[in-house]
Amino acid sequence: ETGVTQTPRHLVMGMTNKKSLKCEQHLGHNAMYWYKQSAKKPLELMFVYNFKEQTENNSVPSRFSPECPNSSHLFLHLHTLQPEDSALYLCASSQTTSDRVNGYTFGSGTRLTVV
Amino acid sequence: LAKTTQPISMDSYEGQEVNITCSHNNIATNDYITWYQQFPSQGPRFIIQGYKTKVTNEVASLFIPADRKSSTLSLPRVSLSDTAVYYCLVGGSGGSYIPTFGRGTSLIVHP
Repeated sequence: ETGVTQTPRHLVMGMTNKKSLKCEQHLGHNAMYWYKQSAKKPLELMFVYNFKEQTENNSVPSRFSPECPNSSHLFLHLHTLQPEDSALYLCASSQTTSDRVNGYTFGSGTRLTVV
Repeated sequence: LAKTTQPISMDSYEGQEVNITCSHNNIATNDYITWYQQFPSQGPRFIIQGYKTKVTNEVASLFIPADRKSSTLSLPRVSLSDTAVYYCLVGGSGGSYIPTFGRGTSLIVHP
């Protein structure tokens, strides 16, 4: 356990479904991130939150909607996804977005399959 | 962001020392060098970070030459459980530090 918990670990959803991914950290961090990792591809940054404020949206389609109610929780709401959205979705946290000393802590990810 | 180049894959055997070199010719003065390890279907895990010379922790050593245009991650006496993808990241100057991951080096340790 890394201190960053993601649920569910696996999710299969149809293209018309609505689902949410949850990320929780109790490390006292103030920055949280969503990354997408497709098969045999590098990690792609999706969203960044620093002190609950979204600071970066990396041109992510609107069918992905993030929510950060507090510094400890991060959600990714999914609706009308496409099969190409199937991937491992990773949440990470750091002290702040300026924290370069201690690195990131990642969760174990949610393996999403869109059918 | 400084671009990094590292080998796509490496093979080794149990008990050997593995050195993975990363090139970062455009590293900025205040950039740090950070290495992560990722197992299949898991998130990357922070291994080690350095700015110059040598850094050592319980997992690995990081060697950085004086010009800082490259760095070498050294894993002593690898085991099968060290089979993973290793990422070299460079950044940290300029206030906001959001690492960009490349393709990494896929290390396979054989019995």
